[in-house]
Amino acid sequence: GAGVSQSPSNKVTEKGKDVELRCDPISGHTALYWYRQSLGQGLEFLIYFQGNSAPDKSGLPSDRFSAERTGGSVSTLTIQRTQQEDSAVYLCASSPTSGSPYEQYFGPGTRLTVT
Amino acid sequence: RKEVEQDPGPFNVPEGATVAFNCTYSNSASQSFFWYRQDCRKEPKLLMSVYSSGNEDGRFTAQLNRASQYISLLIRDSKLSDSATYLCVVNKDGGFKTIFGAGTRLFVKA
Repeated sequence: GAGVSQSPSNKVTEKGKDVELRCDPISGHTALYWYRQSLGQGLEFLIYFQGNSAPDKSGLPSDRFSAERTGGSVSTLTIQRTQQEDSAVYLCASSPTSGSPYEQYFGPGTRLTVT
Repeated sequence: RKEVEQDPGPFNVPEGATVAFNCTYSNSASQSFFWYRQDCRKEPKLLMSVYSSGNEDGRFTAQLNRASQYISLLIRDSKLSDSATYLCVVNKDGGFKTIFGAGTRLFVKA
């Protein structure tokens, strides 16, 4: 079946501009995660959605970052007034709630470059 | 102290070697543990879950030591295709939020 998809695959933007990154999780997966990974670094947790519960936003680095998940499916991560330190690969993952709920399936990521 | 710590490596081993990685975690309430594999410029993919009794999947063996709060991954008979970064993953506080280690790089050489 279809895996997690993300768009765009690459995004180059100028400092100060806003960007929106999209994630389409695997159908039926109720948990959705956003991470970012800087070059040569590990994954940094950003935000987590689980069903209709309030999202866990504890990893968002600043108030310039926000995310929403509409209809329990597609999610959008928005970065306002981008800075050069926002340059990274942004990864989305989804996870089922039955069976092994913590196994995460990742999308290919969006590579963001802020110039 | 980081919540999940791994030796970054790199581990350079010849084909056929046995190699082991350890990972320590700080939260004793953690319930679920995993090893993921990440190839260069690719997304992470689940390698295996780690069960309390230890588990094996072909050449790969995972162990959990709750008392010392570490998990391990053993790779036997290393293949060139095993070259990757191995990520230790721990769920936080028994919930869905998971913490990834920074990864251990493995290079298997002919």
